[in-house]
Amino acid sequence: DGGITQSPKYLFRKEGQNVTLSCEQNLNHDAMYWYRQDPGQGLRLIYYSQIVNDFQKGDIAEGYSVSREKKESFPLTVTSAQKNPTAFYLCASRTLNTGELFFGEGSRLTVL
Amino acid sequence: SQKIEQNSEALNIQEGKTATLTCNYTNYSPAYLQWYRQDPGRGPVFLLLIRENEKEKRKERLKVTFDTTLKQSLFHITASQPADSATYLCALAVTGGGNKLTFGTGTQLKVEL
Repeated sequence: DGGITQSPKYLFRKEGQNVTLSCEQNLNHDAMYWYRQDPGQGLRLIYYSQIVNDFQKGDIAEGYSVSREKKESFPLTVTSAQKNPTAFYLCASRTLNTGELFFGEGSRLTVL
Repeated sequence: SQKIEQNSEALNIQEGKTATLTCNYTNYSPAYLQWYRQDPGRGPVFLLLIRENEKEKRKERLKVTFDTTLKQSLFHITASQPADSATYLCALAVTGGGNKLTFGTGTQLKVEL
């Protein structure tokens, strides 16, 4: 079955540690996205990539980093520079000529 | 500044009635608008897309309208069922924005028996 897989679903981290969230898709989509969701707020765009080896900052990129070495994969690293990392993180993908986003099931990060 | 606003208060309706959710935007030149459904702890699921030159779109029990003069989209679920209970998100893509979507905060819908 085609889809987007995010892992881990739940993650706990101590302050000062970097953590990497995985996102893999087998939909053959060109574009991939990372969003952050906080209670009472809409999804906010962190980073996006429209082609392998290229990515752009979204609205809240500070404290995050990404890579796009393969079409299928778009991992997100939450660095210790991110001031408020506890949130629900969503990965999405789509083909470049359609508007519909396909989302993964999300990763919930809690900083202790 | 650019804003997308959805009613933050939950909407409670009785089974069988029509649910109407609102999405208002300011300072955008929209290319298209989308609606998604999100269940607790899950990723959003795409429902409908409506373009700026379309007035209305339908899919089964769902209907979306788009009024670029009022800067508003309405999302209707007819003959609502308890299984329709979820949070509904609207998302806007602007002209020349490279398909980048900006999301509203979502409205929680609860359909009661």
